[in-house]
Amino acid sequence: AQKITQTQPGMFVQEKEAVTLDCTYDTSDQSYGLFWYKQPSSGEMIFLIYQGSYDEQNATEGRYSLNFQKARKSANLVISASQLGDSAMYFCAMREPFSSGSARQLTFGSGTQLTVLP
Amino acid sequence: NAGVTQTPKFQVLKTGQSMTLQCAQDMNHEYMSWYRQDPGMGLRLIHYSVGAGITDQGEVPNGYNVSRSTTEDFPLRLLSAAPSQTSVYFCASQGPGLAGTSYEQYFGPGTRLTVT
Repeated sequence: AQKITQTQPGMFVQEKEAVTLDCTYDTSDQSYGLFWYKQPSSGEMIFLIYQGSYDEQNATEGRYSLNFQKARKSANLVISASQLGDSAMYFCAMREPFSSGSARQLTFGSGTQLTVLP
Repeated sequence: NAGVTQTPKFQVLKTGQSMTLQCAQDMNHEYMSWYRQDPGMGLRLIHYSVGAGITDQGEVPNGYNVSRSTTEDFPLRLLSAAPSQTSVYFCASQGPGLAGTSYEQYFGPGTRLTVT
């Protein structure tokens, strides 16, 4: 069974500083995908960044980067130059491998509430 | 493209009532799913469908039914509402990702359901 762990229920960061949100995962599969989603107070789920298990380079999308350490089974999200609008809940998620009968499902962590301070 | 749409946005039910949460997508995605989100937890999969006429159970299917008669629509039915089903419900469809991913989940705006 897969499991996603986010050990930081809440984080604070000063505006314009960088912040790292932790995510560790547990899987015995070799092929998997890791996602980060942002959920602002308005409630919608916003896709941020994706990392495939075979990708050799860490994924980056603008101010978001994913620090992927496969041996440690961690996929931390780094937000550079934090903005007030980054205040939200952030979820790490893992996708099951395509070979399984339930391919394409996402398993989510419990989330980290990030607050950016002015 | 409207993406993934859900109705209603808010709903209050009494225990024992039944209702259907509607979900539609206009991206021609084969894969659709329903999640529920409870306070302090991430999203948990209720049911999913890999195409019209094909559905299967996720992690927390009890008390819910689904059907998939068309590619576009994937309604979620609560058979006899219980207070434990108070939650926010998200519908999602999956298709080619904008960021180059093979499959990216597109979420609807959610339905906030309260069962009293």
